[in-house]
Amino acid sequence: DGGITQSPKYLFRKEGQNVTLSCEQNLNHDAMYWYRQDPGQGLRLIYYSQIVNDFQKGDIAEGYSVSREKKESFPLTVTSAQKNPTAFYLCASSRLAGGPYEQYFGPGTRLTVT
Amino acid sequence: QKEVEQDPGPLSVPEGAIVSLNCTYSNSAFQYFMWYRQYSRKGPELLMYTYSSGNKEDGRFTAQVDKSSKYISLFIRDSQPSDSATYLCAMSAGQAGTALIFGKGTTLSVSS
Repeated sequence: DGGITQSPKYLFRKEGQNVTLSCEQNLNHDAMYWYRQDPGQGLRLIYYSQIVNDFQKGDIAEGYSVSREKKESFPLTVTSAQKNPTAFYLCASSRLAGGPYEQYFGPGTRLTVT
Repeated sequence: QKEVEQDPGPLSVPEGAIVSLNCTYSNSAFQYFMWYRQYSRKGPELLMYTYSSGNKEDGRFTAQVDKSSKYISLFIRDSQPSDSATYLCAMSAGQAGTALIFGKGTTLSVSS
């Protein structure tokens, strides 16, 4: 089955700790994205990547870092510099050429920082 | 003014009703419009994807885009309890590899 997997589903951390969220896709998509969703809010873009070893900041990149060492993987690190890290984090992927270009989402990781 | 406005609801309807969900936007560069359905604590699921103005139908779902009014709609016919979810509109200026701008979502409840 092709799709996007995110792990873990729930993550709990103490304030001041860095934490890495996993995102893997086997759809052979070139582009991958990280969004954040807060209660009653739409999704906001954190980072995106169109090609291995390259990525761009989204609207709310401060306090986050990413890497793209493999086409299939796009992990997100939430650093201690992120002031309000508790949120629902969603990873997505899409084609860049040949269509269709829709973004498909994974199941999400719910991060709670206390 | 936010780029994308969407009434959060909640919207409650009886089973079998026609549901109308709407978003307005301010950026005239948006050309690609999407509707996602999100069940509680799940990732969004793509329902409809349209380009520019016009209508698109898929089963019980119809998406409409009116670029002149900067207004998009999703209609759900013969609504079912399984349609109870949050519906997110999203849009982008570019076709591929660009950020989506989302509305806040409308929560729909369909009662049997």
